[in-house]
Amino acid sequence: QKEVEQNSGPLSVPEGAIASLNCTYSDRGSQSFFWYRQYSGKSPELIMSIYSNGDKEDGRFTAQLNKASQYVSLLIRDSQPSDSATYLCAVKTTVIFGPGTSLSVIP
Amino acid sequence: GAGVSQSPSNKVTEKGKDVELRCDPISGHTALYWYRQRLGQGLEFLIYFQGNSAPDKSGLPSDRFSAERTGESVSTLTIQRTQQEDSAVYLCASSSPAVFSGELFFGEGSRLTVL
Repeated sequence: QKEVEQNSGPLSVPEGAIASLNCTYSDRGSQSFFWYRQYSGKSPELIMSIYSNGDKEDGRFTAQLNKASQYVSLLIRDSQPSDSATYLCAVKTTVIFGPGTSLSVIP
Repeated sequence: GAGVSQSPSNKVTEKGKDVELRCDPISGHTALYWYRQRLGQGLEFLIYFQGNSAPDKSGLPSDRFSAERTGESVSTLTIQRTQQEDSAVYLCASSSPAVFSGELFFGEGSRLTVL
């Protein structure tokens, strides 16, 4: 089993819709979880971090963590074409990244 | 500079040659990571340095790959006898010594092409 798994996509959503991205991890002792966004040809950039069970909201982004089920999700509300990118889930300890989910927001 | 700096930004080399890639982390960041990203693929962990501790080399794909870091400053990733499958973007990232130090700041990457 891979340490961090994501649906590779591509995931297509219409502009204004909610995009839902999911990630599962295998190390039950993991404490820190991150979502990075990577535009084509660019380096990843951190958009959300979450450390406790439950939801964490930042603008249009909401990260959800469920340690018992070992999954992390990212919701993007009111999706915009500028949100089209690959979203990478990352888990500490040595910051292992999932393969990423490609999101395409259709105007 | 304020961000992570990597050089060269692009490197084209012939199969069998050695290459060195350099990373200059954000000042004060004790942790430094190297990742490899092949075209259309995810980030593949290579090596992790944390302060003066022994590096985590568990991601290095073969003994042709090595990396060094002097203290908490510049790191060099060396690939010996390059092969075509080494063609990729090599990304360096650093993070602060703060508690939640999994928040990585990435450089722009070094794109390596092996002919």
